Amino acid sequence: SAVISQKPSRDICQRGTSLTIQCQVDSQVTMMFWYRQQPGQSLTLIATANQGSEATYESGFVIDKFPISRPNLTFSTLTVSNMSPEDSSIYLCSVVPGLPPDTQYFGPGTRLTVL
Amino acid sequence: AQTVTQSQPEMSVQEAETVTLSCTYDTSESDYYLFWYKQPPSRQMILVIRQEAYKQQNATENRFSVNFQKAAKSFSLKISDSQLGDAAMYFCATTGGSGGSNYKLTFGKGTLLTVNP
Repeated sequence: SAVISQKPSRDICQRGTSLTIQCQVDSQVTMMFWYRQQPGQSLTLIATANQGSEATYESGFVIDKFPISRPNLTFSTLTVSNMSPEDSSIYLCSVVPGLPPDTQYFGPGTRLTVL
Repeated sequence: AQTVTQSQPEMSVQEAETVTLSCTYDTSESDYYLFWYKQPPSRQMILVIRQEAYKQQNATENRFSVNFQKAAKSFSLKISDSQLGDAAMYFCATTGGSGGSNYKLTFGKGTLLTVNP
C-alpha cells in the first residue's frame, strides 16, 4: 500500500470562494482519483487525475468547477471553485500504486464546510 | 454500468459475536474485483478485504471473510469475534478488471455497524 496525506484536513469557507486540496503520496503511483462524499452519503467519483494531462471527469462534474492538476506521479490537487453550501462534503483522494489489477487506497479526506 | 446494493442501512452486534453484512451487485464486466471498505468516524477509508471474481475461493483476512456467490452476484462480509474497533460504516464496492477506466470504484450506500459491549 501507499501512505497518503491530504491538506487541509478540514476547512470552513465562505460561499463564492475557492479551496485547493492537496494529495501527497509517499511513492510513485499509477493512478490517482478524487471522490466526493456528501453528508450521510456514499462516495462518488469526481475525476481521474492524469499525470501531465487534463483530468477525466465523470458525468455531472466539470473542469471549471473542479479543476484538477497532477504534475507528477506522487502529487495532485483538487480545487473546489465558486463554492456554495451544496459543496459541503468530504473530499477524498485515492491511489492505485501498481499495475493492473491493483487495489485502490484512500487518503484521510478533507472535510469542507461552506457557509 | 455497475451497481452495488447494500440492503441493510444499519446493523448491530454484540462484542465477540459474529455478524454478516450483505451486498449484491450487477456488472457487465467479465473480469472484476469486489471490495469491502470500512469508514470509522475518523472518515479514513480502510480496505478490509478484496475478492477477485475469477477466484472461486472466498477471501479471508483474519476475522474477516466473504461469501462470494458469483452466479447470484452476492458478496457478503462476515465479521467474527466482533470488537469495539469494528464499529464503522462499511461500504461494498466493485470495479472492472483491467485498464484505466475500469479502476473506477462503484460503491454501495453503506451499512452502519454498531458493536455493543
